[in-house]
Amino acid sequence: KAGVTQTPRYLIKTRGQQVTLSCSPISGHRSVSWYQQTPGQGLQFLFEYFSETQRNKGNFPGRFSGRQFSNSRSEMNVSTLELGDSALYLCASSPTGTSGHNEQFFGPGTRLTVL
Amino acid sequence: LAKTTQPISMDSYEGQEVNITCSHNNIATNDYITWYQQFPSQGPRFIIQGYKTKVTNEVASLFIPADRKSSTLSLPRVSLSDTAVYYCLVGVLNNAGNMLTFGGGTRLMVKP
Repeated sequence: KAGVTQTPRYLIKTRGQQVTLSCSPISGHRSVSWYQQTPGQGLQFLFEYFSETQRNKGNFPGRFSGRQFSNSRSEMNVSTLELGDSALYLCASSPTGTSGHNEQFFGPGTRLTVL
Repeated sequence: LAKTTQPISMDSYEGQEVNITCSHNNIATNDYITWYQQFPSQGPRFIIQGYKTKVTNEVASLFIPADRKSSTLSLPRVSLSDTAVYYCLVGVLNNAGNMLTFGGGTRLMVKP
């Protein structure tokens, strides 16, 4: 089985712009979660989508949003980019979700740099 | 705000056993504790998961006390290739449901 794929791998944007990141989960996985990783804040949970519905959400402002399509592929959007949004954005998929006994499989991440 | 804490770094030598402890005071009642390993420029990779007591697989053991407010990842006989950052992950209930919370990560350096 192919692993979790994320596109693009690297992205450079300027302040005020918006960006959309894409994640394709492992075939058959219905849950996709997004994380932000920075040197200062570490790994932080953004949100989880399951069967096209947002199921859980972290403590991020409304500028961060996402969606999931019927084929379980997910996109994450960040509007009005700030310098502090520079980070590695990781996507993870799992068969049934993040609660309980479920292993998450992570993609390689998208490195976003905001200038 | 719930905090999940781990030591920032640890050093060890090849062949030794390494124990990394994570403190998670506000873990959700029904949630599991999961540990991940991360190498530079890669996403985290699953190591082990447990709910209570002890779990063992081919690469590690996980010890969880009865109150579940902490957990200890045990890596037997580490090798140089185990040099990586190790994260614990637990679920904490917030207003929006189950918010997954990573520890800050423990950078393990294995020396020859």
